[in-house]
Amino acid sequence: DIQMTQSPSSVSASVGDRVTITCRASQGIRSWLAWYQQKPGKAPKLLIYTASTLQSGVPSRFSGSGSGTDFTLTISSLQPEDFATYYCQQANTFPLTFGGGTKVEIK
Amino acid sequence: QVHLQESGPGLVKPSETLSLTCTVSGGSISNYYWSWIRQPPGKGLEWIGFVYYSGTTNYNPSLRSRVTMSLDTSKNQFSLKLSSLTAADTAVYYCARHRSDQFEYWGQGTLVTVSS
Repeated sequence: DIQMTQSPSSVSASVGDRVTITCRASQGIRSWLAWYQQKPGKAPKLLIYTASTLQSGVPSRFSGSGSGTDFTLTISSLQPEDFATYYCQQANTFPLTFGGGTKVEIK
Repeated sequence: QVHLQESGPGLVKPSETLSLTCTVSGGSISNYYWSWIRQPPGKGLEWIGFVYYSGTTNYNPSLRSRVTMSLDTSKNQFSLKLSSLTAADTAVYYCARHRSDQFEYWGQGTLVTVSS
């Protein structure tokens, strides 16, 4: 299985801050990577797919980059509704696997 | 707008088989892949497998010996059966529409507790 490692596991930030989350794959996955946002008690919500394509309706402050083994999710200016847990997911190889999550908390 | 809704028992006994159904509304079940994903309380996400509208399946090897997925196009539903349950199978189970590299629509999730 391809292991997906996210860092940091948690981050404290303030409204307006720029936040960057990284995701590293244990082997190359080309650009087959998606990012999700999950709030407590809710299903994950797709933010970005194919590493950098913004899902329809997702604010432009979210962006993704990377290919191969190293990827980043950036929130350019953190908003109150962005405090949540973020997961990466690879789709290059079955079984599909997720990162362990990054919790973005209020500083 | 596509909407998915899981249904099934919230409590199942150890060694028994879990049966969950996902009902799709706002769109056809045809021409898409349909996945099940689970999340143990306080933990991360685990993909269980998918069923394609043709009936083709692909399961996570970690669960393959215990998983069966199927679909009913006439009811716009797909289902999951997971056998030989243990406490480690306690989780929120999500159904999702799976397209190429992403899960674009999710159900709200249903908590399944395995306990006697």
